[in-house]
Amino acid sequence: QVQLQESGPGLVKPSETLSLTCAVSGGSISGYYWSWIRQPPGKGLEWIGYVYFGGSINYNPSLKSRVTISVDRSTNQFSLKLSSVTAADTAVYFCARHRLGGDMFFDPWGQGTLVTVSS
Amino acid sequence: DIQMTQSPSSLSASVGDRVTITCRASQSISGYLNWYQQKPGKAPTLLISTTSRLQTGVPSRFGGSRSGTDFTLTISSLQPEDFATYYCQQSYSIPTFGQGTRLEIK
Repeated sequence: QVQLQESGPGLVKPSETLSLTCAVSGGSISGYYWSWIRQPPGKGLEWIGYVYFGGSINYNPSLKSRVTISVDRSTNQFSLKLSSVTAADTAVYFCARHRLGGDMFFDPWGQGTLVTVSS
Repeated sequence: DIQMTQSPSSLSASVGDRVTITCRASQSISGYLNWYQQKPGKAPTLLISTTSRLQTGVPSRFGGSRSGTDFTLTISSLQPEDFATYYCQQSYSIPTFGQGTRLEIK
């Protein structure tokens, strides 16, 4: 049973870069797509972007200029970098697995990690 | 982006009630609509994919249907563990979510 676990700093200063890692256990990172999704406190869900195990990527156009997602097959992990953060980037960040096209539903998810942007 | 509009935004119901939550897409998404349940402090979990495909382990009281660009999640007989927030998500194009429906105990 595949499990995902997010990790990274819980506090980031404005204008700096948010960096998170998602560790995949119980299965290989190969053959699937891997996404980051965020949820501001008390609000809804926003898809950030995905990486394929082979390295191809796709980002939400609303965040594209600030997002970098990468994969490390040797460690079964993938990562998120979000630059020039502001308070609006404060959210719980989830990682999730999916396939592509119409089958782009997210299952499973990591437990999520809260990142607060504040000086 | 395809906008997903959920209604109602909140709902009070009792154990045993039949409940319906609706999600409307701003354009055609074929049947590429998925439903998630989220409990406080937890990650969402996938209930239904592609309009009506119940995920393994999800009780049969949950069901999904479609009429054009309107999609419905139905819970036939509410159980105490069903009180949560429900989100729809379209997978026709860049994924977008509805704003959520909070289901509370009456």
